[in-house]
Amino acid sequence: DSGVTQTPKHLITATGQRVTLRCSPRSGDLSVYWYQQSLDQGLQFLIQYYNGEERAKGNILERFSAQQFPDLHSELNLSSLELGDSALYFCASSVAQAPGSYEQYFGPGTRLTVT
Amino acid sequence: AQTVTQSQPEMSVQEAETVTLSCTYDTSESDYYLFWYKQPPSRQMILVIRQEAYKQQNATENRFSVNFQKAAKSFSLKISDSQLGDAAMYFCAYRSGGGADGLTFGKGTHLIIQP
Repeated sequence: DSGVTQTPKHLITATGQRVTLRCSPRSGDLSVYWYQQSLDQGLQFLIQYYNGEERAKGNILERFSAQQFPDLHSELNLSSLELGDSALYFCASSVAQAPGSYEQYFGPGTRLTVT
Repeated sequence: AQTVTQSQPEMSVQEAETVTLSCTYDTSESDYYLFWYKQPPSRQMILVIRQEAYKQQNATENRFSVNFQKAAKSFSLKISDSQLGDAAMYFCAYRSGGGADGLTFGKGTHLIIQP
């Protein structure tokens, strides 16, 4: 158990809908990262937050957005869902941000299925 | 942009034998970190080993060791005394030393352990 929690574990929804994925980082970790794992694209970095502020953006679509709240939990919002958004979404956390070889600890993921 | 290449989609090894997984990367940065993650059938992402680019000494964690060749931009993972529990997808990942903090992953190598 990495100490990172994600809810829900599974989510099934229809095209065009909007969903929210939730992540709670390890106690003491200030950075939260979101990743998408799909058969087509592999593992892709989406976005990073550090202590409530956006720090880095990866291959995140405009239909997707995220935020980190004062208690450091984070939410990833996916809207106007398409079949291709079906994937495993991981949240990871680390104690700090670059520089430094801080480990990123991954949560168990949320499996999103868009039908 | 950085890229990570894992040229072996699948590898097979006999239990108790040694196997080496290959990874190459492309970057123009001098400060960066490299990681190997393991993803068993449970889909949990588990950090196996990390290497700081500024360190010449290869990292070792119990039965896992790396061969880091900075000039060749190569970062292979050696697993000694392979065990059935080592069966998993293995991902090589890159992270910049500063600025953007997200991990760039390779496409993974599926490791099969033959009893």
